[in-house]
Amino acid sequence: EVQLVESGGGLVQPGSPLKLSCAASGFTFSSNWLNWIRQAPGKGLEWVASINPDGSSTYYPDTVKGRFVVSKDNAKNTGYLQMNNLRSEDTAMYYCARSRYHNWFAYWGQGTLVTVSS
Amino acid sequence: DIAITQSPSSVAVSVGETVTLSCKSSQSLLYSENQKDYLGWYQQKPGQTPKPLIYWATNRHTGVPDRFTGSGSGTDFTLIISSVQAEDLADYYCEQYFVYPPTFGSGTKLEIK
Repeated sequence: EVQLVESGGGLVQPGSPLKLSCAASGFTFSSNWLNWIRQAPGKGLEWVASINPDGSSTYYPDTVKGRFVVSKDNAKNTGYLQMNNLRSEDTAMYYCARSRYHNWFAYWGQGTLVTVSS
Repeated sequence: DIAITQSPSSVAVSVGETVTLSCKSSQSLLYSENQKDYLGWYQQKPGQTPKPLIYWATNRHTGVPDRFTGSGSGTDFTLIISSVQAEDLADYYCEQYFVYPPTFGSGTKLEIK
C-alpha cells in the first residue's frame, strides 16, 4: 500500500525557515517523482514543487521560486521541502504527493499544517 | 500559465440525481503526439485529503465508482456524477498537467439537498 506521511509543520514567524518531510513507503521511491501541493485555509489547491526521481531536476511556481527548495533522499525514502523567508500567504496545509502520468497526483499524504504568523 | 475555470462554483442536488461539473482550459490540453488530454479530477471531502478520481480526462483511478465519468477534449471537460450519493458531498477540482506549472481550477462545491 502506498503511504506518504508528512511532518514538520507548525507555527512560525514571518521571515523564518521551516523544513517539511515526507516519508514514503509501499512503492519504489527512487523511481518516482515527488511533489508538494498546498491549500490555504478555505481555499483551493496550489502546486508548489516537483522533483524528478534521481533528484537532479526541480520545478517551482513563481510564487515560491527562490524561497523553497525541494529535495529527496532515495536511501531514506524521504522527501523534503525547505521553506525559507516564510510569509503569511504561505500559511496552508502542505501535502506531498506521488505523481503518475506526468503531473497527475495519484497518491497524497494526509498533510502538515504550516502557519506563518507573528 | 494555463488558466482553469470551473463552473458552477457550487451546486445542490438530491440523492439519485445526475450532476454535471464543467472545467475549461485557457489552451488546449490535447497532446497531438499521443492524443491524450492532460486533465485530471480530484474529490476533496470536508476535512479530508484530496482524492484522485480521473486522469487523461476520461480514465477512472483505481477504486473510483463508475458513477463518476470524465469526458471532453481540448479545452472543454466535464465530470458527470450519476445517481449522486450522500457521500459524494465534496469539493471537486480539475487540474491541467499539460505544462508547468500544473494548475488547478477553483473547484465546485457539491451539496446534497
